[in-house]
Amino acid sequence: KAGVTQTPRYLIKTRGQQVTLSCSPISGHRSVSWYQQTPGQGLQFLFEYFSETQRNKGNFPGRFSGRQFSNSRSEMNVSTLELGDSALYLCASSPRPDRVQGYTFGSGTRLTVV
Amino acid sequence: GDSVTQMEGPVTLSEEAFLTINCTYTATGYPSLFWYVQYPGEGLQLLLKATKADDKGSNKGFEATYRKETTSFHLEKGSVQVSDSAVYFCALRFYGGATNKLIFGTGTLLAVQP
Repeated sequence: KAGVTQTPRYLIKTRGQQVTLSCSPISGHRSVSWYQQTPGQGLQFLFEYFSETQRNKGNFPGRFSGRQFSNSRSEMNVSTLELGDSALYLCASSPRPDRVQGYTFGSGTRLTVV
Repeated sequence: GDSVTQMEGPVTLSEEAFLTINCTYTATGYPSLFWYVQYPGEGLQLLLKATKADDKGSNKGFEATYRKETTSFHLEKGSVQVSDSAVYFCALRFYGGATNKLIFGTGTLLAVQP
């Protein structure tokens, strides 16, 4: 069965632009979460979606937003990009948010802001 | 707040050596505990998990035991291989409610030499 698919794998953007990243969860998984990974801050939780509803949000500015579609695919958007937004953005899926098991992560989108 | 502390890396070992990566946590309650592994250029893979005190998670020769009395979840392997070289992350998660997210340690780089 296909894993979690994130597109694109790599992205270069200029400061001030906006970007949209996509995540397709494992078939049948309805919960999608996003994490930011940087050398300085490590892995930090961005948000979690379940059945098209945001259930939980991390401590990130309002420039970071997301959504989930009826087919469980999710997108995250970062507006007015800053150099500090350069990171690996990881998406993870699970059948339900309350299922006691680990997430399955995608390979990530490497965003570079110049 | 809830947090995870891992031993600093890098950890450099010879093939077939014994591995221990220390992990302790601070949490108000009884979280589920996880070890994830990240190979170069890839996302995170779930290595093992434990959901309650004294549970032992195991996979691919790796083991970790949930120790409530010492709030620890140390990762061990009896004989490491070059292919085990990666970054290892300890994480905790509560299920349900507003804190339903993974909280990660800073990661420990393991380098195994032939």
